[in-house]
Amino acid sequence: EPEVTQTPSHQVTQMGQEVILRCVPISNHLYFYWYRQILGQKVEFLVSFYNNEISEKSEIFDDQFSVERPDGSNFTLKIRSTKLEDSAMYFCASSAGVGGQGTGELFFGEGSRLTVL
Amino acid sequence: QQQVKQSPQSLIVQKGGISIINCAYENTAFDYFPWYQQFPGKGPALLIAIRPDVSEKKEGRFTISFNKSAKQFSLHIMDSQPGDSATYFCAASATGNQFYFGTGTSLTVIP
Repeated sequence: EPEVTQTPSHQVTQMGQEVILRCVPISNHLYFYWYRQILGQKVEFLVSFYNNEISEKSEIFDDQFSVERPDGSNFTLKIRSTKLEDSAMYFCASSAGVGGQGTGELFFGEGSRLTVL
Repeated sequence: QQQVKQSPQSLIVQKGGISIINCAYENTAFDYFPWYQQFPGKGPALLIAIRPDVSEKKEGRFTISFNKSAKQFSLHIMDSQPGDSATYFCAASATGNQFYFGTGTSLTVIP
């Protein structure tokens, strides 16, 4: 069964350092997302990406965040200068369709746990 | 502003019992309402979803009840099993837009 894969599974970094989280979405999917989940809390939307550009982003996704699809398979989230409050589980997701469309099911990866010290 | 409100925060049910989780929304543009199941250390996985043109959808032991006028929807897990112990998130989306997730319900099914 096709799946979304994420690396690394866990990253520990010092405050102020740059972090890149990597995702390989399902191969025939066109829509890509990053979500964040602080321990024990709800899943929060960060950004959606389609046709090589950001289609929507939340208030959390400020200038410290960026996304990129450097090649035909990877989708990355970069945090330029990490803060303590960036510590969370980051989930990549992909879908074949959008939102409420019939193929809009989100497939999530297993997450990358980021710990900022 | 929380787009989707979910309750209860946690739920303990005996094996064989019925688990009920409720969600409410405000945005009448939402037209897709999925439920996700998340096990510790894993990403959320789609469990079942409904659109507002039907009031109920059943898949095995899992049923979504949808009340459009009240802007509420709920997940019912019949004959709950210990393997159902997980965190459940409701979500809502309007066509072409992001998914908004509820705050999650931690379900524990006691053998």
